[in-house]
Amino acid sequence: DAGVTQSPTHLIKTRGQQVTLRCSPISGHKSVSWYQQVLGQGPQFIFQYYEKEERGRGNFPDRFSARQFPNYSSELNVNALLLGDSALYLCASSPPDSVTNTQYFGPGTRLTVL
Amino acid sequence: AQSVTQPDIHITVSEGASLELRCNYSYGATPYLFWYVQSPGQGLQLLLKYFSGDTLVQGIKGFEAEFKRSQSSFNLRKPSVHWSDAAEYFCAVASTSGTYKYIFGTGTRLKVLA
Repeated sequence: DAGVTQSPTHLIKTRGQQVTLRCSPISGHKSVSWYQQVLGQGPQFIFQYYEKEERGRGNFPDRFSARQFPNYSSELNVNALLLGDSALYLCASSPPDSVTNTQYFGPGTRLTVL
Repeated sequence: AQSVTQPDIHITVSEGASLELRCNYSYGATPYLFWYVQSPGQGLQLLLKYFSGDTLVQGIKGFEAEFKRSQSSFNLRKPSVHWSDAAEYFCAVASTSGTYKYIFGTGTRLKVLA
C-alpha cells in the first residue's frame, strides 16, 4: 500500500507570498495532521483534521490554515510568508482507531522563503 | 504542560557497538510514547510505540525501548548498531485523551563509525 504522499517536494517562495501544500493520507485513514519542522528541531504540531473537521490546532498564527476534503486529502495554506516559515512541513495520517491514533508520516515538503 | 527531553544532541558509536538513546517526558498520566527515525531529507519512520502492558517494547530494525514510569523515561536501545542506523531519532509523547497532538523532543543525531 502507498504511504502518505505530499506535494510538492520542494518549494521556494518570497516573503509576503502565499503557499499551498498538499497531502494524501494512507488509504483508509481519515485523520490528517500537519507539523512544521525547523532545521535542527523536532516537529511542531500545527493542525489535525478528522472527517473534515478541525480537531486540534497548535500555537501557530492565523496565517496558517488547513482543510480536509471528502477523500480525506488535505491542504495546508500559509499566507503572508515570513523568512521564519522556512521549514520542512510534514503531513501524517492516522487509522480510524481513535484509541491509538498512531501517526504515519509522509516525506515532507521543504519550503524555503527568500 | 507536556514535554519531551532528549538530553543528547549528538551521539557517536562504532559499528557493532550497543546503543542507548535517552528520552524523558513530562506528563501527568501514562502517555502514549513513540520513537521515530528520520534520515537526511526524509520524513519520519515509526520505530516503535508504547501504549500499555509490557514495558519492554520491540520495534523494527532490531530496536527496543523500555518504559520506566518511576523515571519518566522511554529509552531506545539496540544491541549492535549498523552503519545504516546513522540518522536522527525523535521521541514523542501523545496525550491519552485527545490524542491528536504529538509533542516531539529535539532529536538525537546518531553517527556510526566504521
